[in-house]
Amino acid sequence: AQKITQTQPGMFVQEKEAVTLDCTYDTSDPSYGLFWYKQPSSGEMIFLIYQGSYDQQNATEGRYSLNFQKARKSANLVISASQLGDSAMYFCAMRDLYGGATNKLIFGTGTLLAVQP
Amino acid sequence: DVKVTQSSRYLVKRTGEKVFLECVQDMDHENMFWYRQDPGLGLRLIYFSYDVKMKEKGDIPEGYSVSREKKERFSLILESASTNQTSMYLCASSLRVLKLNNSPLHFGNGTRLTVT
Repeated sequence: AQKITQTQPGMFVQEKEAVTLDCTYDTSDPSYGLFWYKQPSSGEMIFLIYQGSYDQQNATEGRYSLNFQKARKSANLVISASQLGDSAMYFCAMRDLYGGATNKLIFGTGTLLAVQP
Repeated sequence: DVKVTQSSRYLVKRTGEKVFLECVQDMDHENMFWYRQDPGLGLRLIYFSYDVKMKEKGDIPEGYSVSREKKERFSLILESASTNQTSMYLCASSLRVLKLNNSPLHFGNGTRLTVT
């Protein structure tokens, strides 16, 4: 069965520093995709970044990058130069080949990030 | 921009009431989803639909049903609300692409339901 694990319920980071949010996953399917979402206190879910299992390079989107280690089944989100507006809940999610037919995602439990001035 | 609109931001209902949560998307997406979000449990899939009048159970369908009579609208129904259904409910939509893809889910702002 597919599973996403986020072991950090909460994290603090100083403004302007980099922070890594951990995500490990489990699937028996060789073809899958990994997503990160941000949820500010307003409640909306904002899509940040995507990594496909066959992508040769780690995904990057502005200050967000994904440290993808396929053998370890980890897909950690790295936020560089943290800003106060980065304070939010962050969710890791996965879609595998079966999920690809329906586009459904399974989510981790989330990490609450607090950026301190 | 994709817009997914949930009809209510906050709802308070009594135990035993029938509750309707409405969701509308404006991007002609085939797929629509209902998740519930609880602290420490993340988002869990209740039901999803990949076409009009089509529905499939997610991971926690008990106590819920859904309706999709039109492509743009997906309703979540609590037949007889119970206190353990107090939660944040999130609707999402996406394109239907029959292969692994990077198409994200687009979410509404959520409905916080309290059942007393």
